[in-house]
Amino acid sequence: GAVVSQHPSWVICKSGTSVKIECRSLDFQATTMFWYRQFPKQSLMLMATSNEGSKATYEQGVEKDKFLINHASLTLSTLTVTSAHPEDSSFYICSAKEGSYEQYFGPGTRLTVT
Amino acid sequence: GNSVTQMEGPVTLSEEAFLTINCTYTATGYPSLFWYVQYPGEGLQLLLKATKADDKGSNKGFEATYRKETTSFHLEKGSVQVSDSAVYFCALRQDDKIIFGKGTRLHILP
Repeated sequence: GAVVSQHPSWVICKSGTSVKIECRSLDFQATTMFWYRQFPKQSLMLMATSNEGSKATYEQGVEKDKFLINHASLTLSTLTVTSAHPEDSSFYICSAKEGSYEQYFGPGTRLTVT
Repeated sequence: GNSVTQMEGPVTLSEEAFLTINCTYTATGYPSLFWYVQYPGEGLQLLLKATKADDKGSNKGFEATYRKETTSFHLEKGSVQVSDSAVYFCALRQDDKIIFGKGTRLHILP
C-alpha cells in the first residue's frame, strides 16, 4: 500500500528558532501534498496544499511567511516553522496523493516549542 | 461552508457491544465521505469511504452508509473489540480538500 513517512516524529526547539519537518512518499509519486495541524483533542485543520514544483496554496489565516512549504520533488515536501513560538506547539500531519487517487497520511510530527 | 459534525466523546463500551458514532455533514454538491481512525501515537488511517448517495462503505467489521436525505454517515460496528480503541474522524472531501470532524475517542473495556 501507499506509505507516507514524516521526520522527525518528535522535535523540541527553543523559542525563536526554526524547525524543518519532512514528508516523504515512499512508494508513489506525490503530485500533491497537504499539511495539516492538529491541536490536542481537536480536529485536523488544513494549512496548505502544494503541487510539485509550484508554490503552496495556503488556507485563510495561515501565515505563509511563518510556515514555509517546499515541494521540490515528487517524493518530498518540507514544512519549516520559522521563528517558532510556544503557540506553534502542535501535531503536524502531512498527506500525499498521486494524481486523482486517495490521500495517504503520514504518522505526524509533534512539535514542542519551549 | 462545508463542515462535519460528529458526536463528542469519549465513548466507553464493553467488548462485544454495538457501536454507533453519529456523523452529519453540510456541503454544497456531492462530496465523498470518509471515516478515518487514529490509533494512539499513530497517524490517520482510512477506515472506509463512500462516494455517492446510498453507497455503503465497510472495513474490519465497521460500516457506514451515505445518506443524502439526512446528510449523515454514521459509523457502526456490531461487536467491538479492545483493539478498536482509538479516535475516529468523520470527514468529507470536496475537490481536493478534506474537512474533518472533531473526532470521537472510543474506549473499549475488556
